[in-house]
Amino acid sequence: DQQVKQNSPSLSVQEGRISILNCDYTNSMFDYFLWYKKYPAEGPTFLISISSIKDKNEDGRFTVFLNKSAKHLSLHIVPSQPGDSAVYFCAAPLIQGAQKLVFGQGTRLTINP
Amino acid sequence: NAGVTQTPKFRILKIGQSMTLQCTQDMNHNYMYWYRQDPGMGLKLIYYSVGAGITDKGEVPNGYNVSRSTTEDFPLRLELAAPSQTSVYFCASSYSTWGNTEAFFGQGTRLTVV
Repeated sequence: DQQVKQNSPSLSVQEGRISILNCDYTNSMFDYFLWYKKYPAEGPTFLISISSIKDKNEDGRFTVFLNKSAKHLSLHIVPSQPGDSAVYFCAAPLIQGAQKLVFGQGTRLTINP
Repeated sequence: NAGVTQTPKFRILKIGQSMTLQCTQDMNHNYMYWYRQDPGMGLKLIYYSVGAGITDKGEVPNGYNVSRSTTEDFPLRLELAAPSQTSVYFCASSYSTWGNTEAFFGQGTRLTVV
């Protein structure tokens, strides 16, 4: 059972424009959601998180929006830069208070100059 | 700081062989994890540890074993390698189990079983 889903395997965006990456989940008990970024031949690195009691969290060019009624979250990157080209994973802790993460399949973002 | 270090980076195993994937962290984190990533898929938790001497199963533990004798090291053992274990393996650590705590990942070990 895929509890966290990223239905877009890839996304291509022009440099300077907005990138929007989407994530859907089925488990309404998730209390946090996290986004990780992964470059080729490297491990994932943490990008931004959001608590389930909030609907928005912003950190510089990165903003995550949470719509609990739709069980949907999205990551916005504005403006997109070439260094943002990577695979982005949405994740959530399996058990409340634990860091055992369940990951989505990932979305490969390509920023075109 | 080296962070989380995994060795080896690449390995080819024959079916039935055994090997240990090494993982060490220098951040004094109590919590450590092993994930695997299959092509086109997200990471899946294999095993985790909440401190030296304490380990537990994750989503996909079959075919693997772990031990945690020190805070720094969390090796993953494959006893009888099978083609289904061909994957990229990531070790991670965190200082807390709070839900929004950042996990630090190693660079990964790409394992091929032939």
